[in-house]
Amino acid sequence: DAGVTQSPTHLIKTRGQQVTLRCSPKSGHDTVSWYQQALGQGPQFIFQYYEEEERQRGNFPDRFSGHQFPNYSSELNVNALLLGDSALYLCASSYTGGSNQPQHFGDGTRLSIL
Amino acid sequence: TQLLEQSPQFLSIQEGENLTVYCNSSSVFSSLQWYRQEPGEGPVLLVTVVTGGEVKKLKRLTFQFGDARKDSSLHITAAQPGDTGLYLCAGARVSSNTGKLIFGQGTTLQVKP
Repeated sequence: DAGVTQSPTHLIKTRGQQVTLRCSPKSGHDTVSWYQQALGQGPQFIFQYYEEEERQRGNFPDRFSGHQFPNYSSELNVNALLLGDSALYLCASSYTGGSNQPQHFGDGTRLSIL
Repeated sequence: TQLLEQSPQFLSIQEGENLTVYCNSSSVFSSLQWYRQEPGEGPVLLVTVVTGGEVKKLKRLTFQFGDARKDSSLHITAAQPGDTGLYLCAGARVSSNTGKLIFGQGTTLQVKP
């Protein structure tokens, strides 16, 4: 039973470019949340997708957008990359996304902006 | 201002010692989760506590949720080098029905043999 899988594992971009990160949730899960984790910090919530719609959003600018597909997989898009976007981007999946449902994380995509 | 304050941020101890990590907030959480993260990997869920005053044990790890559901602690007995890692607490606020997690800053634990 595959857990949460993310791709790519590492990515290097330059300022101003755009990037797309991908996530496949754990089998049986229908909700995907994205988090940004800066070095030495705890993850920060970006947004959550359920039934192919953005259900909740954290304090991130509109440069961060996402999508969820009918098979529950998800993409995170970041436009006009800034140096400060360098971080580990984590995807977490859960079932229905209820407040007490455990979230299972992938190993993340390490994004470096030059 | 961090909504969830985790302390200490760094801890370096000898094998066999005991330790406690604290996670405090002025907000009420419907649940609180503890994760362990190793370099290059995502956080791995250790436990979820839901009821005020709840205590859960996972081998040498003991987790407690405060009576008012505003704080939690993780106690490790007789720490082993394999316990080394980043420990994260994360809460789901009562006002959120989506399970959005608010994380503490993390506690980096190093257990020396």
